[in-house]
Amino acid sequence: DSGVTQTPKHLITATGQRVTLRCSPRSGDLSVYWYQQSLDQGLQFLIQYYNGEERAKGNILERFSAQQFPDLHSELNLSSLELGDSALYFCASSASGRGYEQYFGPGTRLTVT
Amino acid sequence: KNEVEQSPQNLTAQEGEFITINCSYSVGISALHWLQQHPGGGIVSLFMLSSGKKKHGRLIATINIQEKHSSLHITASHPRDSAVYICAVKGAEGSQGNLIFGKGTKLSVKP
Repeated sequence: DSGVTQTPKHLITATGQRVTLRCSPRSGDLSVYWYQQSLDQGLQFLIQYYNGEERAKGNILERFSAQQFPDLHSELNLSSLELGDSALYFCASSASGRGYEQYFGPGTRLTVT
Repeated sequence: KNEVEQSPQNLTAQEGEFITINCSYSVGISALHWLQQHPGGGIVSLFMLSSGKKKHGRLIATINIQEKHSSLHITASHPRDSAVYICAVKGAEGSQGNLIFGKGTKLSVKP
């Protein structure tokens, strides 16, 4: 158990809908990273937050957004969902913003039908 | 060309065999991670390396910074080692903290 929790575990929704994925980092970790794993692309970095502020942005679509709250949990919002958004979404946390040790959550499997 | 390349993509071994998975990268890095992803999807961090060699049980990871290459070795492989092994690199000092991933090596160990 990495200490990182993600909810929900599974999510099935229809095209055009909006969903919110939640991540709670390990106790004391200030940084949260969101990653997407699709069958054809592998794991890709989406976005990083450090202590409530956006730190880095990767291949995140404009339809996706994220935030980190004062209690350090983070949410990833996916809107206007398309079939191609079906993937595993992982969050990871680390103590610092430099990401040397990252601990991965169990992931949320999103299926868009 | 991907910044992180792994080989082989797929590997089938008999129980007890010595296994090597390779990772080459083209960017400057400050650290390299080896991750294990189980069939259920969960990701476990096995090693983080910035130089030399690390050992944990039957797993050994090495890195050659000059050659931009790392290897993950599994000695006396077991069916429970069956998983996808992913190499990921963190950019050079001063860069962002996110990881760049290889596409993974799917290992299947037969009894």
